[in-house]
Amino acid sequence: DVKVTQSSRYLVKRTGEKVFLECVQDMDHENMFWYRQDPGLGLRLIYFSYDVKMKEKGDIPEGYSVSREKKERFSLILESASTNQTSMYLCASSLIQGFGAFFGQGTRLTVV
Amino acid sequence: GDSVTQMEGPVTLSEEAFLTINCTYTATGYPSLFWYVQYPGEGLQLLLKATKADDKGSNKGFEATYRKETTSFHLEKGSVQVSDSAVYFCALSDPNAGGTSYGKLTFGQGTILTVHP
Repeated sequence: DVKVTQSSRYLVKRTGEKVFLECVQDMDHENMFWYRQDPGLGLRLIYFSYDVKMKEKGDIPEGYSVSREKKERFSLILESASTNQTSMYLCASSLIQGFGAFFGQGTRLTVV
Repeated sequence: GDSVTQMEGPVTLSEEAFLTINCTYTATGYPSLFWYVQYPGEGLQLLLKATKADDKGSNKGFEATYRKETTSFHLEKGSVQVSDSAVYFCALSDPNAGGTSYGKLTFGQGTILTVHP
């Protein structure tokens, strides 16, 4: 079975903290993605990566950065967490266009 | 840019009722279309997909047909069960958006489905 694993299900962080969300996939997929899910807004793409050390901004990259040092691992970094970054964060990976993406179970982040 | 519009929710049905969730899209290229389902407390699972016009995706009794002329991909199920209660997302992946999409997905806002016994 294919697997995308996010390191935490729930996180509570303080405003101004640096936050790391980790994602690992075991499918040897080139493409990995970070989405943010908010009620009524669906999922919005923050960043994606199409190869090791390669990254591109998605629709809402402000306040976030990413790191992909190994093919299987894609990290999302909140440089200085703010309350408006309280959300559900979903990692995904895919092989080719039209194939569909596989999602992790999500990390619910609360910034207080 | 690309966009996906789903029917307003939430949707509440009785068990064995017929389900339709409308989805229309706007895309610059010739997209692939998907329906994802999210059960409470979980991530998204791919429910079904279609990659060209008139293709019908199907899975677990759900169906959706890729209609290029109406730019639609409506989700249907003939008889829903309580276990179908979840959030359903329509999505597209457009290969011509910026050259190659790398499998990026554009999502609708999601439709909450609740099925009562």
